[in-house]
Amino acid sequence: AQTVTQSQPEMSVQEAETVTLSCTYDTSESDYYLFWYKQPPSRQMILVIRQEAYKQQNATENRFSVNFQKAAKSFSLKISDSQLGDAAMYFCAYRDPINNDMRFGAGTRLTVKP
Amino acid sequence: ETGVTQTPRHLVMGMTNKKSLKCEQHLGHNAMYWYKQSAKKPLELMFVYNFKEQTENNSVPSRFSPECPNSSHLFLHLHTLQPEDSALYLCASSQVTGMNTEAFFGQGTRLTVV
Repeated sequence: AQTVTQSQPEMSVQEAETVTLSCTYDTSESDYYLFWYKQPPSRQMILVIRQEAYKQQNATENRFSVNFQKAAKSFSLKISDSQLGDAAMYFCAYRDPINNDMRFGAGTRLTVKP
Repeated sequence: ETGVTQTPRHLVMGMTNKKSLKCEQHLGHNAMYWYKQSAKKPLELMFVYNFKEQTENNSVPSRFSPECPNSSHLFLHLHTLQPEDSALYLCASSQVTGMNTEAFFGQGTRLTVV
């Protein structure tokens, strides 16, 4: 079974600074999708960014970008110019191409300090 | 608002009670999921329905019983639960085709078993 590991239970960043959240995963597949989700205190999981394994170019969405290292099975999220509203739980997820399941990591709680 | 609605938002039940969680989506998706979210643990995928057919049961105890009467509705029937079943239960939906499609989540039901 595929596993997704987030080794940082908690992270903090100063407002306007940059922070990187780590994620590693395990798979024997060659094509798959990876996602980062944000879960604010409202509990609603919201998609932040997605990456297709076939694409070598790292995905970018405004202040959010990823560092995708396929060989290392690493998928980190970089948040630039951090804002107070970025404070939330962040989950890394892997989409299984065989059965369409989405597997999640344990999450990283991000605190943004004013 | 993601288009996925879960009710109730909070539920307290005794170990001998029978209750049901409801999930509804009007996004035209054909896959629906139940996840269990416990503190400091990865989201646990419980059940997957593709086109109303259950395609995955992740070794979930029989005291949890899913039902998917149509592609827009998903239920989780609960009976004789244990205190360790207390958690946030999240419902999600997505398109089956196209791995790049993300899962859309409801706000969850916070379940407390007493």
